[in-house]
Amino acid sequence: AQKITQTQPGMFVQEKEAVTLDCTYDTSDPSYGLFWYKQPSSGEMIFLIYQGSYDQQNATEGRYSLNFQKARKSANLVISASQLGDSAMYFCAMRETSGGYNKLIFGAGTRLAVHP
Amino acid sequence: DVKVTQSSRYLVKRTGEKVFLECVQDMDHENMFWYRQDPGLGLRLIYFSYDVKMKEKGDIPEGYSVSREKKERFSLILESASTNQTSMYLCASSLLQTGNRNIQYFGAGTRLSVL
Repeated sequence: AQKITQTQPGMFVQEKEAVTLDCTYDTSDPSYGLFWYKQPSSGEMIFLIYQGSYDQQNATEGRYSLNFQKARKSANLVISASQLGDSAMYFCAMRETSGGYNKLIFGAGTRLAVHP
Repeated sequence: DVKVTQSSRYLVKRTGEKVFLECVQDMDHENMFWYRQDPGLGLRLIYFSYDVKMKEKGDIPEGYSVSREKKERFSLILESASTNQTSMYLCASSLLQTGNRNIQYFGAGTRLSVL
């Protein structure tokens, strides 16, 4: 069965520093997609970045980048130059490939606190 | 921008009440999803729908039902609310495409307390 693991319940970082949020996954399917979402205190889940299993390069979106290590089955999110507004919950997710539907499997999440 | 709107941000209900959570999306998405979010457990899928009047069970459907009479609207129903259904409920929508890069767009969530 597919699974997403986020081992860091909470992290903190100083403003303007970089931070890495860990995500490991388990799947036997050679084709898969990985997502990161941000959930501020307002509650809405915001899509940040996507990585496909066959993508040749690590995904980047502005200050967000994905450290994708396929052999290790890890897809860590790197946030550069942290800002106070980055304080939020962060969820790693993987597209579930069974059944042909576009379902996502989520990890437990990591709460990030950015300190001034 | 995709807009997914959940009718209530906060709800307080009594045990045994019938509860309706409403979700509307404005991007003509075929897929709609209901999740519940609990601390330490992430998001767990309750039900989803890939077309009008179609529904599929997710991982934790017990105690819930859904309705999709129009493409833009997906309702979650708690037939007889219980205290263990106190949680944050999130609605999402996405296109029907089958590729891996199928982004789900979420509403702001409904925080339900059952007393």
